Amino acid sequence: DSGVTQTPKHLITATGQRVTLRCSPRSGDLSVYWYQQSLDQGLQFLIQYYNGEERAKGNILERFSAQQFPDLHSELNLSSLELGDSALYFCASSVASSGDQETQYFGPGTRLLVL
Amino acid sequence: DAKTTQPNSMESNEEEPVHLPCNHSTISGTDYIHWYRQLPSQGPEYVIHGLTSNVNNRMASLAIAEDRKSSTLILHRATLRDAAVYYCILRDVIEDMRFGAGTRLTVKP
Repeated sequence: DSGVTQTPKHLITATGQRVTLRCSPRSGDLSVYWYQQSLDQGLQFLIQYYNGEERAKGNILERFSAQQFPDLHSELNLSSLELGDSALYFCASSVASSGDQETQYFGPGTRLLVL
Repeated sequence: DAKTTQPNSMESNEEEPVHLPCNHSTISGTDYIHWYRQLPSQGPEYVIHGLTSNVNNRMASLAIAEDRKSSTLILHRATLRDAAVYYCILRDVIEDMRFGAGTRLTVKP
């Protein structure tokens, strides 16, 4: 158990809908990262927040957005969903904002299926 | 971005050592070498990292070539639980983690 929790574990929805994925970081961790893992694209970095502020952006679509709240939990919002958005979404956390030695701790993921 | 090259898959027998190679010929002087693994149906987990010297921890050892253009993750006695995809990642202070395709390790009983 990494100490990172994600809800829900599974989510099934329809195209065009909007969903929210939630992540609670490990106690004491200030950074939250979101990743998408699909069969054809592998594990892709989406976005990072540090202590409530956006820190880095990766391959995140404009239909997707995220935020980190004062209690440090984070939400990833996916809107106008398409079939291709079906994937595993992982959240990870770390103590600091960046660092060549910083370890990221991953949650169990949310499996999203768009029908 | 400095990139890594790993074999797509490897096989090992249970209780034998496993050497997982990673090539990173364009590594810069400030890049740390990190290894993560992803067990089936789980999120990635940290294994080990290093800069220049070989590193050991309870999970594995990391052997880094003198020119740093390659490294090898060593599992001293593979168990069935070590079957996973192993990712070799280069990180510097600024760059966020970029996962490649990794090496899928199969452990045979």
